[in-house]
Amino acid sequence: SQQGEEDPQALSIQEGENATMNCSYKTSINNLQWYRQNSGRGLVHLILIRSNEREKHSGRLRVTLDTSKKSSSLLITASRAADTASYFCATTSGSNFNKFYFGSGTKLNVKP
Amino acid sequence: SQTIHQWPATLVQPVGSPLSLECTVEGTSNPNLYWYRQAAGRGLQLLFYSVGIGQISSEVPQNLSASRPQDRQFILSSKKLLLSDSGFYLCASRDNNEKLFFGSGTQLSVL
Repeated sequence: SQQGEEDPQALSIQEGENATMNCSYKTSINNLQWYRQNSGRGLVHLILIRSNEREKHSGRLRVTLDTSKKSSSLLITASRAADTASYFCATTSGSNFNKFYFGSGTKLNVKP
Repeated sequence: SQTIHQWPATLVQPVGSPLSLECTVEGTSNPNLYWYRQAAGRGLQLLFYSVGIGQISSEVPQNLSASRPQDRQFILSSKKLLLSDSGFYLCASRDNNEKLFFGSGTQLSVL
């Protein structure tokens, strides 16, 4: 399966701390994306990193990609209570740009 | 950017009844469209995707079918629902930058 797997499944931190989530995948990818989902809602795109990139930043988000280890990490700095949500990684494979496969997600709880 | 309209937000259906969920897209043309299902507290399972009118690719053999009668309309159907069809159904559209935009989802409970 192409699907990514996030780690940890759940993470609870205090406001102001950093949150790190990891994603591992199985086959070659075109790109890897991170999405956020508030409870009972649709997913929202956060950031995309291509297979030839190693690091990318967007505001308080930092994403790294290690294609040799088939893994990615999402770092949220100075977390806020509003960051409480589930975070998913998604990949598209080298053979089919049309298919997006999602991991099982990390549920982040930021305590005020 | 794109806007994905999905309805209804919640649906309770008896086993054996038919299903029709509709998704429409605004703000783009000729999008790739997707149906995903999410079990409670789990990740997303790709059910169907479509690259154009009448073109449907099925990812998982199941009790569901999809159709794309118009460029920006994607329909998920079933003739007879099973208990295992319960879940959160999400429609999505891909933009030219390979990002997915999602609708707000339909929570389907089959009883």
